[in-house]
Amino acid sequence: EPEVTQTPSHQVTQMGQEVILRCVPISNHLYFYWYRQILGQKVEFLVSFYNNEISEKSEIFDDQFSVERPDGSNFTLKIRSTKLEDSAMYFCASSEQGQGQPQHFGDGTRLSIL
Amino acid sequence: DQQVKQNSPSLSVQEGRISILNCDYTNSMFDYFLWYKKYPAEGPTFLISISSIKDKNEDGRFTVFLNKSAKHLSLHIVPSQPGDSAVYFCAASRSRGKLIFGQGTELSVKP
Repeated sequence: EPEVTQTPSHQVTQMGQEVILRCVPISNHLYFYWYRQILGQKVEFLVSFYNNEISEKSEIFDDQFSVERPDGSNFTLKIRSTKLEDSAMYFCASSEQGQGQPQHFGDGTRLSIL
Repeated sequence: DQQVKQNSPSLSVQEGRISILNCDYTNSMFDYFLWYKKYPAEGPTFLISISSIKDKNEDGRFTVFLNKSAKHLSLHIVPSQPGDSAVYFCAASRSRGKLIFGQGTELSVKP
């Protein structure tokens, strides 16, 4: 069964450094998402992306965050200058076009900011 | 964001019995509801969904019920199996938008 792939599985970064989290969505999917889960908290929405542009973003997704689909397969989340509070699991998801299509998630990248 | 709530952090059932997981929501504009299952160190895995125009959807051992007037949905697993032990999240969305997740319920199925 096709799946969403995320790399790396764990990223350790010094505060203030830039980090790029990578995702390969399911190949025929057209909608892409990033979510995060801080330890002990809910999974929360960051951003959605369709037709090469951001379709919706949350308050969390400030100027330090950006997303890109650099080619036909990858979808990346960049955090420009990481803060301690960015430490979380980051999940990428994708879905097909059409009503009632569920989002399918990758296994996440654990981001640890030191 | 308290739009989706799962009030039971944990649930324990015997193998072969029914598991019922509950979820409440506050936003009447939600039109699509989903249940996900999550194992440690893995991402959420889609289980089953329901559109707001229906009140029941069934897939094998899993059935989701939606009560729009009560803004309540539930997931029934019959019969429960030890491999069903995981954290279950309900989620809701509006017009294909972002998913709003509940806090999760940890299900433990005892042999």
